[in-house]
Amino acid sequence: GQNIDQPTEMTATEGAIVQINCTYQTSGFNGLFWYQQHAGEAPTFLSYNVLDGLEEKGRFSSFLSRSKGYSYLLLKELQMKDSASYLCAVRGGRGSYIPTFGRGTSLIVHP
Amino acid sequence: EAGVAQSPRYKIIEKRQSVAFWCNPISGHATLYWYQQILGQGPKLLIQFQNNGVVDDSQLPKDRFSAERLKGVDSTLKIQPAKLEDSAVYLCASSLDEQQQAFFGQGTRLTVV
Repeated sequence: GQNIDQPTEMTATEGAIVQINCTYQTSGFNGLFWYQQHAGEAPTFLSYNVLDGLEEKGRFSSFLSRSKGYSYLLLKELQMKDSASYLCAVRGGRGSYIPTFGRGTSLIVHP
Repeated sequence: EAGVAQSPRYKIIEKRQSVAFWCNPISGHATLYWYQQILGQGPKLLIQFQNNGVVDDSQLPKDRFSAERLKGVDSTLKIQPAKLEDSAVYLCASSLDEQQQAFFGQGTRLTVV
C-alpha cells in the first residue's frame, strides 16, 4: 500500500514564504507531483519531481529526497490568490504510473 | 487547446437512484482517469483507462459503479444504486500517456440525499 502525509492546514501572511511538506511511504517510486486546487475548482499542475533536488518555477519550488521519502513545496512572495489546497501525489508501486494523492494542505494567506 | 470537459457540473439525487457522469478528455490523450474526491480529502482513483482498455479499477466499487470508454475517447461513469456516502466530486483527468502529467476537468459535484 501507499501512505502520503501532509499537514491539514497552514496559514501565512501575504508577502511571506511558506513551505508545505509531504512525506510518503510507497512500495516503489516513479515521481511526485504537486497540484494546486482552489475551492470548487479542478486541481491544476504545479510541479513534478522524479530525481532528488530542487526544481524552481517562478515563485514556486519543489524539492525531493527519495531516500527520505520527503518532498516540499516552497511558495515565495505569497499572494492572496495562493489561498488554496495543495495536493501532493506520488506515483508508487512497481511498474505503476498511477498517481495517488494525499489529503491536501489547505493554505490560508491573510493580509 | 480545449481542456477536459465534464457534465453535468452538479447533480442531486435520492439514495438508491442511478446517475451517470460524462467526460470528454483533451484531444489525443490516450490515458483517462476517474477520481472521487470527498470533501476535505484528496482525490481517490476509481479507474484508469488506456485508450479503451482498463488499466486499473482496483478501487472501483464494482457492485454499484461502472465505467466505460468504448471508442477510446469519451467516457461515462455510472452509479447504480447510489448511497449517501457517494456524495463527492467526481473528477475526470486525462494525459497524453500514463507517464505524463494529468489535466483535470472541473468535476461533477454529486449530492445524494
